[in-house]
Amino acid sequence: RKEVEQDPGPFNVPEGATVAFNCTYSNSASQSFFWYRQDCRKEPKLLMSVYSSGNEDGRFTAQLNRASQYISLLIRDSKLSDSATYLCVVNPNNNNDMRFGAGTRLTVKP
Amino acid sequence: DTEVTQTPKHLVMGMTNKKSLKCEQHMGHRAMYWYKQKAKKPPELMFVYSYEKLSINESVPSRFSPECPNSSLLNLHLHALQPEDSALYLCASTHPAAINSPLHFGNGTRLTVT
Repeated sequence: RKEVEQDPGPFNVPEGATVAFNCTYSNSASQSFFWYRQDCRKEPKLLMSVYSSGNEDGRFTAQLNRASQYISLLIRDSKLSDSATYLCVVNPNNNNDMRFGAGTRLTVKP
Repeated sequence: DTEVTQTPKHLVMGMTNKKSLKCEQHMGHRAMYWYKQKAKKPPELMFVYSYEKLSINESVPSRFSPECPNSSLLNLHLHALQPEDSALYLCASTHPAAINSPLHFGNGTRLTVT
């Protein structure tokens, strides 16, 4: 089983839609979780860290489900500018070993 | 603007060349990373330095040789590469072993091996 698994999509949604991505991890002891956004031919940029109690930043909500070992990212009221690849990152062994999921490609259409 | 600086932005090299990729950060981070990313794939971990010591080597071929001269600099020395090594090489840094300390990425070096 891979350390971090993510549905690669693609997700094609209309503007204004709500879309959710999940990412599962294999090591129950993992402590650090992040969502990154990557635009074509650019470096990944931090979207948000994922905290145990869940956290929200504007239209974006991140949650952690330790019992089922997954993190989620919810995007509300999708904008055209949200089109990108969304990557989850997990530190599975809590030792600087930062692993990426496969990335989920999102396209928001007018 | 990125706080992690990578040079060069683009590099074309032949299979017999020797070249180096450079990465610099001044955020006081003591963990630095090299990732390799092929098109339509996620970044793949290559090496991690923690407090200037190599802590993770993901069985990378010896034609890639990392070096961490000090806490701000990270190099990747390249020798006798193959065309399949063409990719985007990303440097990143973070606070080592700090929960919820994210990776900060440089812009990357786009490498083409001919």
